Amino acid sequence: QKEVEQNSGPLSVPEGAIASLNCTYSDRGSQSFFWYRQYSGKSPELIMSIYSNGDKEDGRFTAQLNKASQYVSLLIRDSQPSDSATYLCAVEGSARQLTFGSGTQLTVLP
Amino acid sequence: DTGVSQNPRHKITKRGQNVTFRCDPISEHNRLYWYRQTLGQGPEFLTYFQNEAQLEKSRLLSDRFSAERPKGSFSTLEIQRTEQGDSAMYLCASSLGMNTGELFFGEGSRLTVL
Repeated sequence: QKEVEQNSGPLSVPEGAIASLNCTYSDRGSQSFFWYRQYSGKSPELIMSIYSNGDKEDGRFTAQLNKASQYVSLLIRDSQPSDSATYLCAVEGSARQLTFGSGTQLTVLP
Repeated sequence: DTGVSQNPRHKITKRGQNVTFRCDPISEHNRLYWYRQTLGQGPEFLTYFQNEAQLEKSRLLSDRFSAERPKGSFSTLEIQRTEQGDSAMYLCASSLGMNTGELFFGEGSRLTVL
């Protein structure tokens, strides 16, 4: 079992819709969770961090964390074509390094 | 430019040769990480430094790989006796203080082993 699992997609949504990206992790001791966005041919960039159960909102992005279910999600409201990218879920382990999922490729159709 | 800088950006080498990559982190960042990424996969952790100390190294990392961070500034990643399976993007990232998971990535060094 992979430590961090994501649906690889691809996920396609129409412009203006809500995109929902999901991630599960295996290490129950993990305390810090992150979403990175990676455009094709570019490096990952941090878009959201979440450390406690519940929702965290930042503009059009909402991260959700449920430690009991070992589940993290990212919602993108009013999706734009510029949101088309691969979204990487990352979990910080006890050794303070990030373990990344394989990413979900999102395409927002105009 | 105050971001993370990596060079060379591209390296093509023949199997069996040694290669070295350099990373210059954001100046005030004390943590520096090396990751490897192949097509369709997320970044895979290789090693990280806090200042000049190498604190963690992936169990999956071959002993052909070595990294240094002299004086806690720039870092080098050397791969000896390269194999075709080493072909990947090598990403360097840095972070500051307690925000250990908030990484700033460089543009990467792409290695192709023929």
